[in-house]
Amino acid sequence: ETGVTQSPTHLIKTRGQQVTLRCSSQSGHNTVSWYQQALGQGPQFIFQYYREEENGRGNFPPRFSGLQFPNYSSELNVNALELDDSALYLCASSSGLKNTGELFFGEGSRLTVL
Amino acid sequence: GEDVEQSLFLSVREGDSSVINCTYTDSSSTYLYWYKQEPGAGLQLLTYIFSNMDMKQDQRLTVLLNKKDKHLSLRIADTQTGDSAIYFCAESPYMDSNYQLIWGAGTKLIIKP
Repeated sequence: ETGVTQSPTHLIKTRGQQVTLRCSSQSGHNTVSWYQQALGQGPQFIFQYYREEENGRGNFPPRFSGLQFPNYSSELNVNALELDDSALYLCASSSGLKNTGELFFGEGSRLTVL
Repeated sequence: GEDVEQSLFLSVREGDSSVINCTYTDSSSTYLYWYKQEPGAGLQLLTYIFSNMDMKQDQRLTVLLNKKDKHLSLRIADTQTGDSAIYFCAESPYMDSNYQLIWGAGTKLIIKP
């Protein structure tokens, strides 16, 4: 059974640029959630995809967008990067929407915006 | 508003018990969770408790839930150096999905020899 994998692990961008982060969900999981974790903080929910549809969104602006593909992998896109977007971006996969809520996390993509 | 609060640090001696506390705000949360984050590693679920339970024990871990006070605690018995990590409390207040979690800022557990 393959776990959640994310790429890239680290990247550096400048203000105004765009970034795409990728996530492969754990085998058998059809739900992917994205979280932003700033340094010294807990994760903040960005959005969730279930069977290729967005199912819930946190308090993030529209320049944060996502996709889920038929194989349930997912992308997070951030346009017009700002300095405050510097954070660890975590992808988590799960099965269904109403189970126990156990999330299986990848190791994250650390984004630095200069 | 939604807010999960935890103290930022806890220091204990090896072999002692660690008790990490958390307060949450949404009484409708179905599940409450404890996750562990080690340096360079992803978040890992330690344990969770369903909202109609008061206590759950799993080997060295004991979770206590006080719904009246919206207080959750995690006790780690016989704390070892391998328990050094940041521990996050999280709740699932949304009816549409148990996976949209609200998280605390994490408690860093420091083990003294």
